Amino acid sequence: EAQVTQNPRYLITVTGKKLTVTCSQNMNHEYMSWYRQDPGLGLRQIYYSMNVEVTDKGDVPEGYKVSRKEKRNFPLILESPSPNQTSLYFCASSLIAGGETQYFGPGTRLLVL
Amino acid sequence: TQLLKQSPQFLSIQEGENLTVYCNSSSVFSSLQWYRQEPGEGPVLLVTVVTGGEVKKLKRLTFQFGDARKDSSLHITAAQTGDTGLYLCAGGDAGGTSYGKLTFGQGTILTVHP
Repeated sequence: EAQVTQNPRYLITVTGKKLTVTCSQNMNHEYMSWYRQDPGLGLRQIYYSMNVEVTDKGDVPEGYKVSRKEKRNFPLILESPSPNQTSLYFCASSLIAGGETQYFGPGTRLLVL
Repeated sequence: TQLLKQSPQFLSIQEGENLTVYCNSSSVFSSLQWYRQEPGEGPVLLVTVVTGGEVKKLKRLTFQFGDARKDSSLHITAAQTGDTGLYLCAGGDAGGTSYGKLTFGQGTILTVHP
């Protein structure tokens, strides 16, 4: 089944404790992206990747890191999480960028205490 | 930073009524997508429009992209309770060095009452 998977689905952590949210897609998509969703703000793009080893900042990259060493994986790293990073995070992928159907993962709900 | 403003933010209607959701910006977008999101799930793409003035129909849903590619609308005819959800518009960057950027509106929460 074609899908985007994220792990973990739920995470409670404390300020400053490094964490990684994994994202994997099995559709051989070139484009992958991370978003955070907060009430009243819609989805805001954190980082995106046009292909392996090609990443770029979205609208809210501060406090986040990403890497794209393999086509299928696009982990989101929070080196030193802070409470304002409490949010619902979505990973998405599409065949290529620009007007293509984006497939979203199920979301990761993160609480930073 | 490109911004997309969606209106209204909340919409509560009775089954059978028509409704329109608007997505406006001062920026030009290469494409405009509409998504629907249900609680606990990720957004699901409804449609992509890429040409100024383009109109697409998906059963009872009609999507329009403005001539200048700065705005879009979603019109639902004879709404049903199953249309309840969060509707999001998203604009693709018009080019340059930010080709992969996608900007979302803040969303419209639609509730259709039986």
